[in-house]
Amino acid sequence: GENVEQHPSTLSVQEGDSAVIKCTYSDSASNYFPWYKQELGKRPQLIIDIRSNVGEKKDQRIAVTLNKTAKHFSLHITETQPEDSAVYFCAASALGQNFVFGPGTRLSVLP
Amino acid sequence: KAGVTQTPRYLIKTRGQQVTLSCSPISGHRSVSWYQQTPGQGLQFLFEYFSETQRNKGNFPGRFSGRQFSNSRSEMNVSTLELGDSALYLCASSLEGGAGDGEQYFGPGTRLTVT
Repeated sequence: GENVEQHPSTLSVQEGDSAVIKCTYSDSASNYFPWYKQELGKRPQLIIDIRSNVGEKKDQRIAVTLNKTAKHFSLHITETQPEDSAVYFCAASALGQNFVFGPGTRLSVLP
Repeated sequence: KAGVTQTPRYLIKTRGQQVTLSCSPISGHRSVSWYQQTPGQGLQFLFEYFSETQRNKGNFPGRFSGRQFSNSRSEMNVSTLELGDSALYLCASSLEGGAGDGEQYFGPGTRLTVT
């Protein structure tokens, strides 16, 4: 079955700096890769996703890149703000299969 | 459009008891997945229901079961509760599940405490 690894487990950056979180997956059949942000005491919220026919996707300060050959994808947050502090989860899935989540990255943005 | 709802939001049970949790998906969504979240353990997949059928199942013991009704509402049941079952149980719905059309949205979760 699918296995998703995520690094780093914790990340601290200064406000205004960029943050990068990386995930790898094992199943070449996976073709959908969402990223979720979970603030303390709240539900995970989808922030961006990418499908395997696209190499990069941007949404304002957030971008995701996908390298199908290497089976890894990354979340990039630019100009970080204190409200970006949260736990971020990556996930992978194939059609008809369940989502497999990475273990999460706790991002702290220091003012 | 109303979001995913879960009831109850909080629950305290005693070891050995059983519990039933409910999830109402977004209207039109046919896939409902359940996850267990514990501190430091991330999101552990329990099972997914699609059109009233269990389509995928995670690595949890048989004490964990679920079902889905014709209106896509789903319930999960945990029998013979153990202390280790204390967790936040999240359900999530999507149009088709997996990599199908549409994103997966989470409910607020049910916080289960087993004493």
